[in-house]
Amino acid sequence: EAQVTQNPRYLITVTGKKLTVTCSQNMNHEYMSWYRQDPGLGLRQIYYSMNVEVTDKGDVPEGYKVSRKEKRNFPLILESPSPNQTSLYFCASSNSGGNYGYTFGSGTRLTVV
Amino acid sequence: AQTVTQSQPEMSVQEAETVTLSCTYDTSENNYYLFWYKQPPSRQMILVIRQEAYKQQNATENRFSVNFQKAAKSFSLKISDSQLGDTAMYFCALVAGSNYKLTFGKGTLLTVNP
Repeated sequence: EAQVTQNPRYLITVTGKKLTVTCSQNMNHEYMSWYRQDPGLGLRQIYYSMNVEVTDKGDVPEGYKVSRKEKRNFPLILESPSPNQTSLYFCASSNSGGNYGYTFGSGTRLTVV
Repeated sequence: AQTVTQSQPEMSVQEAETVTLSCTYDTSENNYYLFWYKQPPSRQMILVIRQEAYKQQNATENRFSVNFQKAAKSFSLKISDSQLGDTAMYFCALVAGSNYKLTFGKGTLLTVNP
């Protein structure tokens, strides 16, 4: 089954404790992206990657890191999480430049206390 | 830069009736694609319908159709014969230009009442 797999689905952590949210796709998509969803703000892009070793900032990159060492994986790293990073996070992937839409993971609900 | 605006934060409709969700957008690109995504309480993002900007014909997927007005930069979603399972947050989104970025509106929460 073609899918984007995110883990974990839920995560509660404390301020300053490094964490990684994993994302993997099995569709050989070149383009991958991370979004955060907050009430009243819709989904905002954090980082994106157009291919292996090619990443760039989205609209809200502060406090996040990413890497793309393999085509299928695109982890999101919070090196020192803060409460304002409490949010719902989505990983998405696409080919054809996104023209046919994106496939989304099932989301990660992160709470930073 | 592109923007997507959804002016209706919440809407409700009676089961079996028709409802239209509004969306306007702005982009300087000539080649772009528009989407409606559905997010039910399960929070999964589900692609509902897609429109290519260079096609004049409005896209249709079963009970879902769009009214694409290119000159007005408007892209509304019509849901016919609304069902309880249509209750969800609906996001309008746009891909334009060479960075493949999907830009979202803030969403419209649709409630279908029995």
